[in-house]
Amino acid sequence: GAVVSQHPSRVICKSGTSVKIECRSLDFQATTMFWYRQFPKQSLMLMATSNEGSKATYEQGVEKDKFLINHASLTLSTLTVTSAHPEDSSFYICSGKFVTSTDTQYFGPGTRLTVL
Amino acid sequence: AQSVTQLDSQVPVFEEAPVELRCNYSSSVSVYLFWYVQYPNQGLQLLLKYLSGSTLVKGINGFEAEFNKSQTSFHLRKPSVHISDTAEYFCAVRGQGGKLIFGQGTELSVKP
Repeated sequence: GAVVSQHPSRVICKSGTSVKIECRSLDFQATTMFWYRQFPKQSLMLMATSNEGSKATYEQGVEKDKFLINHASLTLSTLTVTSAHPEDSSFYICSGKFVTSTDTQYFGPGTRLTVL
Repeated sequence: AQSVTQLDSQVPVFEEAPVELRCNYSSSVSVYLFWYVQYPNQGLQLLLKYLSGSTLVKGINGFEAEFNKSQTSFHLRKPSVHISDTAEYFCAVRGQGGKLIFGQGTELSVKP
């Protein structure tokens, strides 16, 4: 159990376009979802925390107008990278937490974004 | 504030040898600790977690970790590694609001 999927797994886009990444909890309800980005050979950096039906809480230094997060249901959160630039190229990973979670997060497989 | 330090960026080891991946933490609140494994181009998989209770925690794939409050450590161990254990390992501590604060990661490379 506790499976999280992400779509797409890889995306290549041109500079200036927007890209949407979906994160779904397949067999549980995730009241809270987290979005991370990971640069090559580096750790995961939390971008934002989203609670179902509420606005996302962004970490310091993360542009909320550039990284739009929507958590419309208990099983779906989306991250939209608006007006993407090459420096946005990264590995984006989401995670979900149970309603009654003891703080365990379950991670998706990640999305590799390449901006040309 | 919470933080995690993984003392080794790379750990090479031969197959069937024991391994220890070191993790030290800093936390001013109740300590919840986690170890995750990441295979290339994949997300993270939970290996084990410490929330309370016994300080020796057993996880999947034969891994275990020991919570040591006096040394603020949560080292990960496996008595005999396999080639398939080659991956990146992350130690994490729970922060405010349930978010995870990750260490820098340790690349475990198991050689035949």
